[in-house]
Amino acid sequence: VQLVESGGGVVQAGRSLRLSCSASGFTFNDYVFHWVRQAPGKGLEWLALLSFDEKSNLLRDSVIGRFSVSRNNLKSILYLQMNSLEVDDTARYFCARGREGAPFDNWGQGTLVAVSS
Amino acid sequence: YELTQAPSVSVAPGETARITCVRNNIENEIVHWYQQQPGQAPVLVVSYNNDRPPGIPARFSGSSFDNTDTLTISRVEAGDEAAYYCQVWDFNRDLWVFGGGTKLTVL
Repeated sequence: VQLVESGGGVVQAGRSLRLSCSASGFTFNDYVFHWVRQAPGKGLEWLALLSFDEKSNLLRDSVIGRFSVSRNNLKSILYLQMNSLEVDDTARYFCARGREGAPFDNWGQGTLVAVSS
Repeated sequence: YELTQAPSVSVAPGETARITCVRNNIENEIVHWYQQQPGQAPVLVVSYNNDRPPGIPARFSGSSFDNTDTLTISRVEAGDEAAYYCQVWDFNRDLWVFGGGTKLTVL
């Protein structure tokens, strides 16, 4: 099982970034996927989940209207589109997999996003 | 609507570490625990209050009483030094909630 995030970098406030999470070693369609972030020196913050059929598509309130999540089941890739980025969005962004309502049994190593003012 | 954890716990090698998680206004009583080593991704160590995923040593166990869950690590080793997070699915708000994390220091 492998989850590999990419797409992070340094970006100015107000700009956009799209993160990707490439999955391998298991059947992508069998799982719900999540995005979780961790600001420097801080704890974990769940951001979003997306089911295989996208019927369950949830975002935490603080990012609704700015972030969106999608997936390409043929390519086994999860995406996080982040618009109108703010300095407080600076964090390491992890993708993780799970089942519906179940804990996150595998995580990627994360990709770092730094938003400058 | 939160999970409250003490910021830090310290124990000597071979002792027992107990890390607590208090559910405040979260109805779901099912709690999961993650270990995060410095610079690493989190790893699930206890699920559904007291189950251990494959590969997790029996030294890790979970328990629950009232609105408080406890992760117990027996015979603590230097390699257990990490941050530990509790997690709950808040079904009333459709939101996964993490506790603030507890840093375990092995003296």
